[in-house]
Amino acid sequence: GAVVSQHPSWVICKSGTSVKIECRSLDFQATTMFWYRQFPKQSLMLMATSNEGSKATYEQGVEKDKFLINHASLTLSTLTVTSAHPEDSSFYICSATSGSQETQYFGPGTRLLVL
Amino acid sequence: QKEVEQDPGPLSVPEGAIVSLNCTYSNSAFQYFMWYRQYSRKGPELLMYTYSSGNKEDGRFTAQVDKSSKYISLFIRDSQPSDSATYLCAMRKYSGGGADGLTFGKGTHLIIQP
Repeated sequence: GAVVSQHPSWVICKSGTSVKIECRSLDFQATTMFWYRQFPKQSLMLMATSNEGSKATYEQGVEKDKFLINHASLTLSTLTVTSAHPEDSSFYICSATSGSQETQYFGPGTRLLVL
Repeated sequence: QKEVEQDPGPLSVPEGAIVSLNCTYSNSAFQYFMWYRQYSRKGPELLMYTYSSGNKEDGRFTAQVDKSSKYISLFIRDSQPSDSATYLCAMRKYSGGGADGLTFGKGTHLIIQP
């Protein structure tokens, strides 16, 4: 149980384009989903917290207009990187938890390369 | 000072050895402590979850939390080559029933030599 999927697993795009990443909880209802970013040799850094049906809460330094998060259902959250630039190239990972769980289960991650 | 400090390694040990991994942290508000295993280019996999101080054992893995020293450890007994991965410590504060994001260490790259 507690499986989280992400799509796509990797994406290459041109600078200035937008990229959408999906995060799905496959076997449980995720009341809260989180988006993290991991640069090479760095720790995972929390970007935002997303509760189903509510606006996402962004961490300090994360531009909410650049990283659009939608959590429209209890099993799906999307992260859209708008007007992507090379410095946005990173490993984006989502995690999910339900109201009854205290642990977070992570997706496999999406590797983004912006040329 | 980073909130969570973890030696990135690499840590290389022979097969069968006991492995000791640890993290220190500075924020006394952290109440929940986790260890994740991450293989290259994959998402983290939860290994151990503990609340507050104490020990927890699961198979070959033992997690220890010492809140007075702000120090957590993960021990792996009878280490296997398949244990080779990056081990991340993570922690979060008590959120009053809601869910909070995790604060991670950088991860320790562990290599078990056959």
